[in-house]
Amino acid sequence: DQQVKQNSPSLSVQEGRISILNCDYTNSMFDYFLWYKKYPAEGPTFLISISSIKDKNEDGRFTVFLNKSAKHLSLHIVPSQPGDSAVYFCAASPRNYGQNFVFGPGTRLSVLP
Amino acid sequence: DAMVIQNPRYQVTQFGKPVTLSCSQTLNHNVMYWYQQKSSQAPKLLFHYYDKDFNNEADTPDNFQSRRPNTSFCFLDIRSPGLGDAAMYLCATSPGLTDTQYFGPGTRLTVL
Repeated sequence: DQQVKQNSPSLSVQEGRISILNCDYTNSMFDYFLWYKKYPAEGPTFLISISSIKDKNEDGRFTVFLNKSAKHLSLHIVPSQPGDSAVYFCAASPRNYGQNFVFGPGTRLSVLP
Repeated sequence: DAMVIQNPRYQVTQFGKPVTLSCSQTLNHNVMYWYQQKSSQAPKLLFHYYDKDFNNEADTPDNFQSRRPNTSFCFLDIRSPGLGDAAMYLCATSPGLTDTQYFGPGTRLTVL
């Protein structure tokens, strides 16, 4: 039973355009969310987080939106760059319950020059 | 630079031959995790240490063990590797259980 889902295994976007990566979760106790980026042969690198008390968090070209009622979050990358090509993982935690993060299966983003 | 280091980056072992993977950190974090990741799948948490307290996930096979001799080091021991244990093994650390985790580069294990 997947508690964190990333239904698009892959996504291709033209350089300079917006990339939107989606993540859905089923556990209503999740209240803290992270996005990681992973290049081949490297470990995941933390990108951005959002707590359930917010619906948006922005860091440079990266913005995460959270829709609690829909149990959905998305990562927007604007403008997309070829160096953004990687696998992106969404992770969720019921932080107030002191439990570990659950990861989604990842979405492979390809930014085409 | 503070970091999480995993050695070796690539490990080849034979079916049934014990293997140990190593992780070290210079972040001085309390928590160290081991994850198993297979192609196109989410990283799967095997276990974690909060300081010296060991926490095993319910579905982690007995074949997988871990040791944390001090704050900086954590080891993953696979007692009798099977073909199904071939995967990327990721070590991560965090200050506390619900804090952002920082990952090492991973060790890719091949079982022949």
